[in-house]
Amino acid sequence: AQSVTQLGSHVSVSEGALVLLRCNYSSSVPPYLFWYVQYPNQGLQLLLKYTSAATLVKGINGFEAEFKKSETSFHLTKPSAHMSDAAEYFCAVSSSGGYNKLIFGAGTRLAVHP
Amino acid sequence: DGGITQSPKYLFRKEGQNVTLSCEQNLNHDAMYWYRQDPGQGLRLIYYSQIVNDFQKGDIAEGYSVSREKKESFPLTVTSAQKNPTAFYLCATQYPGGADEQFFGPGTRLTVL
Repeated sequence: AQSVTQLGSHVSVSEGALVLLRCNYSSSVPPYLFWYVQYPNQGLQLLLKYTSAATLVKGINGFEAEFKKSETSFHLTKPSAHMSDAAEYFCAVSSSGGYNKLIFGAGTRLAVHP
Repeated sequence: DGGITQSPKYLFRKEGQNVTLSCEQNLNHDAMYWYRQDPGQGLRLIYYSQIVNDFQKGDIAEGYSVSREKKESFPLTVTSAQKNPTAFYLCATQYPGGADEQFFGPGTRLTVL
């Protein structure tokens, strides 16, 4: 069975500091991996996805994530946090191909302070 | 303008009443999903449908019902059997041949008074 663990339900950084949000997954087949962002009272927006091409994936708003099979990780990073990055971030996994359900982590709320 | 519409944005219900949440899409996606979101619990799958006139239960289907009579529409009914219905409800769609990513609507916040 597939699962996702997001380490840290809350992360706080200073504006301009590195953002690192952790995601570890469990999957018996090669996975597809996703990061979504959610602003208050809104739906989820896709930040980036890994689909077995390049292991370093670049997304929107300056975010990127690296797929590390040996560590079963897909951590999300951004070199310099902006106040507008404050939101909740969700990591998700699915098995490759067709219509497959996404399994979501519990989410990490990112706070950015001046 | 393509997208997913959920209505209403906010919904209030008295205990014992059924209520229906709307989800409409014009993306021509075959698959549609309903999720429930509670603080600190991420997204939990209620029901999903991969084709018209067919749907499957997700992880927390008890107290909910759905229909899929049209490709564009996937309404969710929260019945009086749902013990704790106050939550944020999200509808999503998915297209064939892609990398399984889902597209989300803006959500409906349901509050039981």
